[in-house]
Amino acid sequence: DGGITQSPKYLFRKEGQNVTLSCEQNLNHDAMYWYRQDPGQGLRLIYYSQIVNDFQKGDIAEGYSVSREKKESFPLTVTSAQKNPTAFYLCASSSEQGAGVAGELFFGEGSRLTVL
Amino acid sequence: QKEVEQDPGPLSVPEGAIVSLNCTYSNSAFQYFMWYRQYSRKGPELLMYTYSSGNKEDGRFTAQVDKSSKYISLFIRDSQPSDSATYLCAMSFQGAQKLVFGQGTRLTINP
Repeated sequence: DGGITQSPKYLFRKEGQNVTLSCEQNLNHDAMYWYRQDPGQGLRLIYYSQIVNDFQKGDIAEGYSVSREKKESFPLTVTSAQKNPTAFYLCASSSEQGAGVAGELFFGEGSRLTVL
Repeated sequence: QKEVEQDPGPLSVPEGAIVSLNCTYSNSAFQYFMWYRQYSRKGPELLMYTYSSGNKEDGRFTAQVDKSSKYISLFIRDSQPSDSATYLCAMSFQGAQKLVFGQGTRLTINP
């Protein structure tokens, strides 16, 4: 079954710790995205990558870092510099470069991060 | 002012009612309009996609785009409890690097 796998589903972190969220896709998509979802704020773009070894900042990149060493994988690190990291994080991919302009974003099931 | 505005609700209606969900936007360059449905603790999935102005129907769902008013709507006929979810509008334009999402409307259909 093709799709996007995010792990872990739930994660607890102490303040000051970095944490890495995994995102793997087997859809052979070029473009991958990380979104953050907070209640009442919709989806906000953190980082995106349209091709291996290249990525761009989204609207709220501060305190986050990513890598794109393989087409299938786009891990997100939430660093201690992120002031309010508790949120639901969603990874997505698209076969369309240009952020799925005329196409579809496929989402994973999300990772819920809670900072204690 | 946000580029895309969507009333977060919550919206609660009885089973069988017609539901109307709406978004307004400020960027006249938007050409592609989408509605995503997100069940609790899941990722969103594409429900409807429309290019430019007009209507699109798919079963009980109808998407409308009025570019002159910068207003899009999603209508759900004969609503079912299984339609209970958060509905997110999203939009973009040719050459855009990203989709812009609304805040999402949480909808509950009561049996």
